[in-house]
Amino acid sequence: EAGVTQSPTHLIKTRGQQVTLRCSPISGHTSVYWYQQALGLGLQFLLWYDEGEERNRGNFPPRFSGRQFPNYSSELNVNALELEDSALYLCASKGPNFYEQYFGPGTRLTVT
Amino acid sequence: DAKTTQPPSMDCAEGRAANLPCNHSTISGNEYVYWYRQIHSQGPQYIIHGLKNNETNEMASLIITEDRKSSTLILPHATLRDTAVYYCIVRVATGDMRFGAGTRLTVKP
Repeated sequence: EAGVTQSPTHLIKTRGQQVTLRCSPISGHTSVYWYQQALGLGLQFLLWYDEGEERNRGNFPPRFSGRQFPNYSSELNVNALELEDSALYLCASKGPNFYEQYFGPGTRLTVT
Repeated sequence: DAKTTQPPSMDCAEGRAANLPCNHSTISGNEYVYWYRQIHSQGPQYIIHGLKNNETNEMASLIITEDRKSSTLILPHATLRDTAVYYCIVRVATGDMRFGAGTRLTVKP
């Protein structure tokens, strides 16, 4: 069974640009979670989608947004990139009848 | 979600049991205790979770005190590949997870 996949693996953007990160959950999983992990820091919760709806968001500005598609894949959009947005962005998925989240390998974003 | 307190770092000799403590004194009755680990900037890996009974799986054992205010993750025979940051998280069954700083476990030969 394929795990959570994320694309791209790495990308480099400049300040002020916009970026879209993608996540495909494990087959049968309906919830997708996004986290940010800046270098040397812990994971910070960003967004939670379930059945196409945003269920909760962490303490991040509105320029961080996303959506979940009917096939349960998800996108994370970050507008007006700032240097401090440089981080590993992790996506996790969870099935409707399970408690644990399974993480993807992450997308490493560098903002210059 | 309840906050957790973990030691920032621990060492363990290879082949010995690693016992990682976690305090969660404000845990609510409907909150579970979860453990994840993260090996050098990879995505976190689920280890185990429990509500109030002790749990065991192929990776580890989870011991939760009777008052549920603390728990211990036990890796019975630590290997060098178990070197990672271990996160203890408490949350309701379907909620998002709030990660703390975790414990950096170093398994030494």
